[in-house]
Amino acid sequence: DFVMTQSPDSLAVSLGERATINCKSSQSLLHSSNNKNSLAWYQQKPGQPPKLLFYWASTRESGVPDRFSGSGSETDFTLTISSLQAEDVAVYYCQQYYSSPITFGGGTVVEIK
Amino acid sequence: QVQLVQSGAEVKKPGASVKVSCEASGYTFINYAIHWVRQAPGQRLEWMGWINTGNGNTKYSQKFQGRVTITRDTSASTAYMELSGLRSEDTAVYYCARSTATLDNWGQGTLVTVSS
Repeated sequence: DFVMTQSPDSLAVSLGERATINCKSSQSLLHSSNNKNSLAWYQQKPGQPPKLLFYWASTRESGVPDRFSGSGSETDFTLTISSLQAEDVAVYYCQQYYSSPITFGGGTVVEIK
Repeated sequence: QVQLVQSGAEVKKPGASVKVSCEASGYTFINYAIHWVRQAPGQRLEWMGWINTGNGNTKYSQKFQGRVTITRDTSASTAYMELSGLRSEDTAVYYCARSTATLDNWGQGTLVTVSS
């Protein structure tokens, strides 16, 4: 199985400041056929299901604010919130869909400092 | 709009089975697969399996093979996940999710509590 490792486990950022979350896959998620990485990012708020933010590592889902960005390739990926807002407090998960079984990272808790 | 509405919370005894439903609306049911993912307290999200809603083909995580069965009723636009041989470690919120490239719409979750 592909092991997804997120860092840090949690971070506290001041309002308006940048938050950066890292995700590392145990194997490459890059498809040579289409040059796309099978990596998604989700946001989960308490009592709610996960919400898709990005797929193919950097394709923003409709309605996701552009202060969120996804980047990276092969085994190393990053989710960046350029200017943290109060409504961004949540747990963020990365997920690979390159190979079955689908696997998720352990999550990163983002809080306000 | 796309909606996945799951059945309500369940409390089960160890050894029992549970069947959770996921009713889809707002899109053509047979055009998208449905996956099942669970989230135990303090644990990461865990994929259980998926069903091709068009032809009924399924694929399960090896971890749950033999204990999980995913089915669908196309006339009701509903998918089902049944988990048997329940144990305390199966206490979790169970989610269904529609897939395109990945899991783009999720149900609200169903809490299954296993307790004697």
